Amino acid sequence: DVKVTQSSRYLVKRTGEKVFLECVQDMDHENMFWYRQDPGLGLRLIYFSYDVKMKEKGDIPEGYSVSREKKERFSLILESASTNQTSMYLCASSPGTVRYNEKLFFGSGTQLSVL
Amino acid sequence: AQSVTQLGSHVSVSEGALVLLRCNYSSSVPPYLFWYVQYPNQGLQLLLKYTTGATLVKGINGFEAEFKKSETSFHLTKPSAHMSDAAEYFCAVSDQAGTALIFGKGTTLSVSS
Repeated sequence: DVKVTQSSRYLVKRTGEKVFLECVQDMDHENMFWYRQDPGLGLRLIYFSYDVKMKEKGDIPEGYSVSREKKERFSLILESASTNQTSMYLCASSPGTVRYNEKLFFGSGTQLSVL
Repeated sequence: AQSVTQLGSHVSVSEGALVLLRCNYSSSVPPYLFWYVQYPNQGLQLLLKYTTGATLVKGINGFEAEFKKSETSFHLTKPSAHMSDAAEYFCAVSDQAGTALIFGKGTTLSVSS
């Protein structure tokens, strides 16, 4: 089975801190994604990457950056955390494009609280 | 632009009753459509997907969905609800490039005995 592992289940940070959320997948997938999930808003795409060192902005990239130095690892960075970034963050991966019948595999999520 | 609208943020049914979760989409290209389920404290799992071909799609756990182009809909149904079906359900459409998924806001399904 494909495994997408997010390093922390719960994280508490202070306003202004630099925050790193880590995600690792073990199936050599090309694509990796970061979504945030908020009650009543569903999942919103922050960034995705279709190859090492490649990245594309999603719908809500402001206040975030990403890093993909190795194929299996995709990091989400909050340069200066703010309270409105308190959310559940979900990482996902897929072996190819969605149009080619591939599905996304999701991690269990990181609940980030910014105080 | 691609988008999905899920009608009803919360649906309640009795055990054994029909489950109907509604999803309408907007897409500038032929859509690829998905339903995902999220059980409490778990990640999202794929229930079913429509890409091309048969418009009635069967998924896991007895769920199915029908793609209706004329109605731009992809509603999820299950003939008989089970307590274990209580979860949050998300409808999604592929983006124009076919790389990422655009999700709806979700529908929470409650099942009472």
